[in-house]
Amino acid sequence: AQKVTQAQTEISVVEKEDVTLDCVYETRDTTYYLFWYKQPPSGELVFLIRRNSFDEQNEISGRYSWNFQKSTSSFNFTITASQVVDSAVYFCALRRFTSGGSYIPTFGRGTSLIVHP
Amino acid sequence: DAGVIQSPRHEVTEMGQEVTLRCKPISGHNSLFWYRQTMMRGLELLIYFNNNVPIDDSGMPEDRFSAKMPNASFSTLKIQPSEPRDSAVYFCASSLGQLQETQYFGPGTRLLVL
Repeated sequence: AQKVTQAQTEISVVEKEDVTLDCVYETRDTTYYLFWYKQPPSGELVFLIRRNSFDEQNEISGRYSWNFQKSTSSFNFTITASQVVDSAVYFCALRRFTSGGSYIPTFGRGTSLIVHP
Repeated sequence: DAGVIQSPRHEVTEMGQEVTLRCKPISGHNSLFWYRQTMMRGLELLIYFNNNVPIDDSGMPEDRFSAKMPNASFSTLKIQPSEPRDSAVYFCASSLGQLQETQYFGPGTRLLVL
């Protein structure tokens, strides 16, 4: 069985602070994909990043960075110098990689990030 | 390029009525997914199609829910009869293939059943 845990239900920061959103996952698969999605107040889900289990390199995209640690089954997301527009619910997700069969993804419950001006 | 298109964006209906949600995936994508999001249960996958064929519908809550994909550019999710507990945001997502795991989501349909 797969499981994604986002232990932080809500985080509140002041603009320009750095913030890290935690994601811990469980899977028996040796190959899998991990994702982060952003859901702003408008409601749509916006894809941020996909990482496959073969690639443990950290990634940086502007103010966003992701730290994938296979040894601890974590895929944490850091926003540097947060801005009010970063206020949203962020979802971490896990999906199987293997061919054939079902590809049902597992989503965490989300972390609500509130950035105050 | 147009993203995933869903209609209607908002739907308010009375218990017992039939509700039909519509989705147009991104052109060229051959996998389509229907999700439901509620405060209680979070984001749940209801059903997904690959090349217009339903692959896994184990997430469909009960027989009142049905989904079809008559062609590569259109899918519907129908609830008949609707109940207040069906109130949720329903998302449609598409991806280039089952192994291309990035799913792109539509804006969602916010359903309220009174």
